[in-house]
Amino acid sequence: AQRVTQPEKLLSVFKGAPVELKCNYSYSGSPELFWYVQYSRQRLQLLLRHISRESIKGFTADLNKGETSFHLKKPFAQEEDSAMYYCALSWAQKLVFGQGTRLTINP
Amino acid sequence: KAGVTQTPRYLIKTRGQQVTLSCSPISGHRSVSWYQQTPGQGLQFLFEYFSETQRNKGNFPGRFSGRQFSNSRSEMNVSTLELGDSALYLCASSLSGTSGSGYEQYFGPGTRLTVT
Repeated sequence: AQRVTQPEKLLSVFKGAPVELKCNYSYSGSPELFWYVQYSRQRLQLLLRHISRESIKGFTADLNKGETSFHLKKPFAQEEDSAMYYCALSWAQKLVFGQGTRLTINP
Repeated sequence: KAGVTQTPRYLIKTRGQQVTLSCSPISGHRSVSWYQQTPGQGLQFLFEYFSETQRNKGNFPGRFSGRQFSNSRSEMNVSTLELGDSALYLCASSLSGTSGSGYEQYFGPGTRLTVT
């Protein structure tokens, strides 16, 4: 079955430190993966998708098919990065979400 | 371009009642998906519609149903409400709901349903 796992429910780092939010997936075909972010009192919004290979707000994510991972990284965390982050896998016209990681950036 | 809108934003119902939630997608988007978000289960897929046809359905009981109109607006209905149906219901729209750029989903603010 298609599944997305985000092992960390909570992650706390200091401003300026590197950030890595982990995401592992199980999928038999070629996956299409996304990261969504939900800032406080805002709607869920697309952060980036692996196909576009672009960097949004300094975040990048590389698909590693061998390790079935799609970790989200940012070299220098900023306070405005504090939010809930969801990794998602698209399959059959639907998104399968991980449980999410709440990222807190300490000043 | 206006974003996805959902009405109502908040709703309180009693067990056994039924409820209808509405979603208006971004103009030009033909695919509408619904998700249930709860603290325990996270975000779970309910169903997806494209051109008034349901293409996929999640693992929810038959009390959960939906439809899509010719203008792509969508409604979901929950009959015989149970306490466990209390959740945030999110609607998302995309151009086509298929792989590639057509699959980027844009979410609405959600409808917070409380069942007492």
